[in-house]
Amino acid sequence: DIVMTQSPDSLAVSLGERATINCKSSQSVLYNSNKKNYLAWYQQKPRQPPKLLIYWASTRESGVPDRFSGSGSGTDFTLTISSLQAEDVAVYYCQQYYGTPFTFGQGTKLEIK
Amino acid sequence: EVQLVESGGDLVQPGGSLRLSCAASAFIFSNYWMSWVRQAPGKGLEWVANMKQDGSVEYYVDSLKGRFTISRDNTKNSLYLQMNSLRAEDTAVYYCAIQGTTSAYTPFHDWGLGTLVTVSS
Repeated sequence: DIVMTQSPDSLAVSLGERATINCKSSQSVLYNSNKKNYLAWYQQKPRQPPKLLIYWASTRESGVPDRFSGSGSGTDFTLTISSLQAEDVAVYYCQQYYGTPFTFGQGTKLEIK
Repeated sequence: EVQLVESGGDLVQPGGSLRLSCAASAFIFSNYWMSWVRQAPGKGLEWVANMKQDGSVEYYVDSLKGRFTISRDNTKNSLYLQMNSLRAEDTAVYYCAIQGTTSAYTPFHDWGLGTLVTVSS
């Protein structure tokens, strides 16, 4: 199984500042034939289901604010929130869909400082 | 707007069985791979299983293979999860989620609100 490891486990950032969450996979999730990274990011607010933010490592889902961006390739990925808003308080998960079983990182809890 | 409504969650004794349902609407259900994902209380996300559009292919997390069975009925726009020999560690909110149309290897674009399964005596 591909193990996904996020860092940090929790993060406190001031409003308007940048938040960065990292995700590392135990093996590459880059599919060489199409040059796509099979990596997604989700946001989960309390008492809500997860919401897809980013897929193919850097493609923003429709309707997701452009302050959210994803980067990275192979085994190392980053989710960046360029200017933190109060509504961004949530737990963020990375997930690989390169192979079954699909696996998630342990989550990063983002709070306001 | 896409809608996924899970049902069937309940309090069940260890060793018991339960069948979850997910009713889909506002999209062409038969065009999409579908998945079940679960989340134990206060814990992270765990993918359970997925199924191809026509029901001909299914994948499971190894730890649940043999106890859980995914199925679908495209005439009823519904996804199911049959859970047998339930254990305390199966206690979780179970979500159904839409994947893509092209392959099993696509992200979870939309999620239902989930249904809570509690396994306890």
